[in-house]
Amino acid sequence: DAMVIQNPRYQVTQFGKPVTLSCSQTLNHNVMYWYQQKSSQAPKLLFHYYDKDFNNEADTPDNFQSRRPNTSFCFLDIRSPGLGDAAMYLCATSRAGQGASSNQPQHFGDGTRLSIL
Amino acid sequence: RKEVEQDPGPFNVPEGATVAFNCTYSNSASQSFFWYRQDCRKEPKLLMSVYSSGNEDGRFTAQLNRASQYISLLIRDSKLSDSATYLCVVNIGSSASKIIFGSGTRLSIRP
Repeated sequence: DAMVIQNPRYQVTQFGKPVTLSCSQTLNHNVMYWYQQKSSQAPKLLFHYYDKDFNNEADTPDNFQSRRPNTSFCFLDIRSPGLGDAAMYLCATSRAGQGASSNQPQHFGDGTRLSIL
Repeated sequence: RKEVEQDPGPFNVPEGATVAFNCTYSNSASQSFFWYRQDCRKEPKLLMSVYSSGNEDGRFTAQLNRASQYISLLIRDSKLSDSATYLCVVNIGSSASKIIFGSGTRLSIRP
């Protein structure tokens, strides 16, 4: 089945130790998103790629970076994780067409739950 | 004002009841609207897209009111399995790709 795959499902890292979360998709969608979701809160958009164009949210900390080396893969790099970065990180994809009204819904991976020691 | 706002609930209703949620959005240029469902510690899953003319999928009905800038979700004959958080999702403005979640409405169905 075509899907969005996130690895790992659970990640534990030490305070300040860089960590990379990965996302791959077989849907051939042109848009990939990274969301951060903390307990009892809505997913918060960190950034997204529309094809190769990177779109960073204004309130996304500089500590968070992303890479999209090709259509299928997208990475979230946290350079120096703090305790406040412990959360579920969700990757999503969608196909955006010409004009916002042609957007298709997002497909989500299972998420990576990040813990900081 | 938040870009997408929802009543957080929780809504606690008996099985078989009808329940409705609203979601307001701030940008009048938004074009794409969705309802997602999220179970505890799981990823959001698409429940339904929301079309201009309104749409129905079994016990679920979605409506869009552009004039007042809100979307709604109606659940009829609620089941225990409907207990979840319901997330309103809107594309922001005319951007084809920027999609924002509302804070979610928690629904609990009691026997």
